[in-house]
Amino acid sequence: IAGITQAPTSQILAAGRRMTLRCTQDMRHNAMYWYRQDLGLGLRLIHYSNTAGTTGKGEVPDGYSVSRANTDDFPLTLASAVPSQTSVYFCASLMGSHYGYTFGSGTRLTVV
Amino acid sequence: GNSVTQMEGPVTLSEEAFLTINCTYTATGYPSLFWYVQYPGEGLQLLLKATKADDKGSNKGFEATYRKETTSFHLEKGSVQVSDSAVYFCALSDPYNQGGKLIFGQGTELSVKP
Repeated sequence: IAGITQAPTSQILAAGRRMTLRCTQDMRHNAMYWYRQDLGLGLRLIHYSNTAGTTGKGEVPDGYSVSRANTDDFPLTLASAVPSQTSVYFCASLMGSHYGYTFGSGTRLTVV
Repeated sequence: GNSVTQMEGPVTLSEEAFLTINCTYTATGYPSLFWYVQYPGEGLQLLLKATKADDKGSNKGFEATYRKETTSFHLEKGSVQVSDSAVYFCALSDPYNQGGKLIFGQGTELSVKP
């Protein structure tokens, strides 16, 4: 089934630990995105990649890093987790600007 | 910069009531406009879209018309059902200024009571 797979589905993480959220798509979309969703704040863009080999910073990039070694994978890494990074994280990909995003099902991360 | 503003929720309606969720936008270019829906515990799904002025997007009984003169894209449904309870996000994509990235409103929670 074509779409985006995110892993893990949920995670409880100790503060200070390193964590990588995985995102894989099988639609060959060039552009991919990471958002975090927080109550009352909607979705905020963390990082994006317009094509394999390139990445860019979004609205709230601090504390996060990404890589885009190939078209399919776009992992998000928290180098040293802090409680304010407790959130639901969504990965998305884009076929074209008129088509909208395809979203993954999200990763619920709790940093304690 | 580009931005999207939605009416605040939560919105609570009785089944079969008429729904309007207001959405206005600010954009320097010629954006495409979208409505996404998020059911409890799930990711966001595209509900409908419009890519140019006066276009009407429609899906599952929901409609929204791209109004350039009022910079609006209000979501409407004539008769809501309990199963429509969800969070609704308005979004825009401006390919000339944002490379296609979506900018979201803050979301409006809809609760439909039987």
